[in-house]
Amino acid sequence: NAGVTQTPKFQVLKTGQSMTLQCAQDMNHEYMSWYRQDPGMGLRLIHYSVGAGITDQGEVPNGYNVSRSTTEDFPLRLLSAAPSQTSVYFCASSCGLAGQCEQFFGPGTRLTVL
Amino acid sequence: AQSVTQLDSQVPVFEEAPVELRCNYSSSVSVYLFWYVQYPNQGLQLLLKYLSGSTLVKGINGFEAEFNKSQTSFHLRKPSVHISDTAEYFCAVSDRGTDKLIFGTGTRLQVFP
Repeated sequence: NAGVTQTPKFQVLKTGQSMTLQCAQDMNHEYMSWYRQDPGMGLRLIHYSVGAGITDQGEVPNGYNVSRSTTEDFPLRLLSAAPSQTSVYFCASSCGLAGQCEQFFGPGTRLTVL
Repeated sequence: AQSVTQLDSQVPVFEEAPVELRCNYSSSVSVYLFWYVQYPNQGLQLLLKYLSGSTLVKGINGFEAEFNKSQTSFHLRKPSVHISDTAEYFCAVSDRGTDKLIFGTGTRLQVFP
């Protein structure tokens, strides 16, 4: 099993550009989520999904869109990048048994918005 | 609303010394509690979790944590640290019945020889 994979590992954008951060898991997990990590702020939940076709907002959803068309994939879209979105982004997945399963994290995508 | 407070942003310690990383949470409902470790330039890895039962939880790499409901704490301990334990440690909480994790701001453990 590859676990949770994220692409790209690094990305530099200009303000106003759009891009999609990819996340995939091969563990047949129902629950997937996106976090951003900023210095001194820990990880904050952006969006999450409890299964294909179902998504919801987390703590900091503004400026980000998600969709979940398959169990395996959960892409995060930045429609118009802003410098405030410079961060490290982590995708995670779990079996979704109401918190009883371990969440597995991907290696992260480091995004810089100029 | 839930919140997690990690009181120490950095903890320096010498190798083979004991260490305690502190975590307090606030929640109006029953919770699950977690400790994750993040090594440099890597994702997060689960150290241990408390779901129910015994309040003393043992995890990987010799770490353990104790759930104290009255003090709303879940402090992480290791009796003897190694250089390889140098990393950032995150405490997290979720309401029972959900998978949404709320993280603390992290504690950077620096182990010196």
